[in-house]
Amino acid sequence: DAKTTQPPSMDCAEGRAANLPCNHSTISGNEYVYWYRQIHSQGPQYIIHGLKNNETNEMASLIITEDRKSSTLILPHATLRDTAVYYCIVRVATYAGNQFYFGTGTSLTVIP
Amino acid sequence: EPEVTQTPSHQVTQMGQEVILRCVPISNHLYFYWYRQILGQKVEFLVSFYNNEISEKSEIFDDQFSVERPDGSNFTLKIRSTKLEDSAMYFCASSSGTYTEAFFGQGTRLTVV
Repeated sequence: DAKTTQPPSMDCAEGRAANLPCNHSTISGNEYVYWYRQIHSQGPQYIIHGLKNNETNEMASLIITEDRKSSTLILPHATLRDTAVYYCIVRVATYAGNQFYFGTGTSLTVIP
Repeated sequence: EPEVTQTPSHQVTQMGQEVILRCVPISNHLYFYWYRQILGQKVEFLVSFYNNEISEKSEIFDDQFSVERPDGSNFTLKIRSTKLEDSAMYFCASSSGTYTEAFFGQGTRLTVV
């Protein structure tokens, strides 16, 4: 099961940075932090993942604290199309694959 | 950009009937997954498939469910005798490895009446 805690909802003004927090205080050393989002009832969309270093891609940045007990997903310039449910998932990959256990996530609303 | 394709997008079936949901994973991926999402609830893992066999399954994935990779491109989920509570969005996903991200299809909405 997902071992993360996220606020249930957040608002962000269009054009501003959206900072979505996630607590994963029981994370173990070989568990990665993944972020996905789901827009309406579409399939979950991969955003970014990391182990202990901060990561950045064309969609977002992931900041992981030094003790790895929490992380923040940053959408640098939120647009209305970023309105979605954002899921933070910790996961250790096994031979069986990379199964994800989704929690309830954070519902982000970008306001014009 | 490669994507996971699912068909049909919406399927309505009578209770007790068998349904097969179809997926075409990304071509060079080795791991395949099925998830479901009952309306208003969480996305739930059902099963993972690797090297032509089930590698992990959840409690939801009981004897009514089966998966198959009948050829080199398709990945199917069969529900043997559908129940009303099987009504949900079913998502297929695939990944190239165990540490890589999984890519999800757009889902099949199954409605059991």
